[in-house]
Amino acid sequence: DADVTQTPRNRITKTGKRIMLECSQTKGHDRMYWYRQDPGLGLQLIYYSFDVKDINKGEISDGYSVSRQAQAKFSLSLESAIPNQTALYFCATSEPGAEQFFGPGTRLTVL
Amino acid sequence: GNSVTQMEGPVTLSEEAFLTINCTYTATGYPSLFWYVQYPGEGLQLLLKATKADDKGSNKGFEATYRKETTSFHLEKGSVQVSDSAVYFCALSDSRRALTFGSGTRLQVQP
Repeated sequence: DADVTQTPRNRITKTGKRIMLECSQTKGHDRMYWYRQDPGLGLQLIYYSFDVKDINKGEISDGYSVSRQAQAKFSLSLESAIPNQTALYFCATSEPGAEQFFGPGTRLTVL
Repeated sequence: GNSVTQMEGPVTLSEEAFLTINCTYTATGYPSLFWYVQYPGEGLQLLLKATKADDKGSNKGFEATYRKETTSFHLEKGSVQVSDSAVYFCALSDSRRALTFGSGTRLQVQP
């Protein structure tokens, strides 16, 4: 079984809809992250969490919110999706200062 | 703040050619440095890492040396294969922050 899983893997939705992307990990890491990748570009950090009670905004948090339900679960929500949020979304986990382990990604399309 | 600068791609090479992808960074303190690889349609995988100055990370024939004096972590491979075609990301981490990624360099290896 994969260490970091993301659901759904693909999602098509309409402008204005609320969307939740979920991430689960079995690595026992305290730190979890959400990134966005646009075509031809690198990864931009949306939110990160260093433990269940510690959530921080990243570079591009506007229009997004997160919930850290447990050490193993970190969800990303788009309260009212817009077309320029169409992108690949990656979840990752890590120990402090160590390499991050990435999930397979969720491809989100907002029409 | 932290930043990572990579050479722009795409880099197009013939099979068995020598590869260099340049990466320089700006950071406070003593970050750990990473190279990640993203194959088409997949998430990011750690390729190699180095945690202190003069460390050399290596994996699958790829190498990179942590050069504090030049703030660089260039990726090299002596003989590339078609299967190495992917996007390569340089990244850094310190214990207080999430990863900071470069913009990625696409490598295309032709038979």
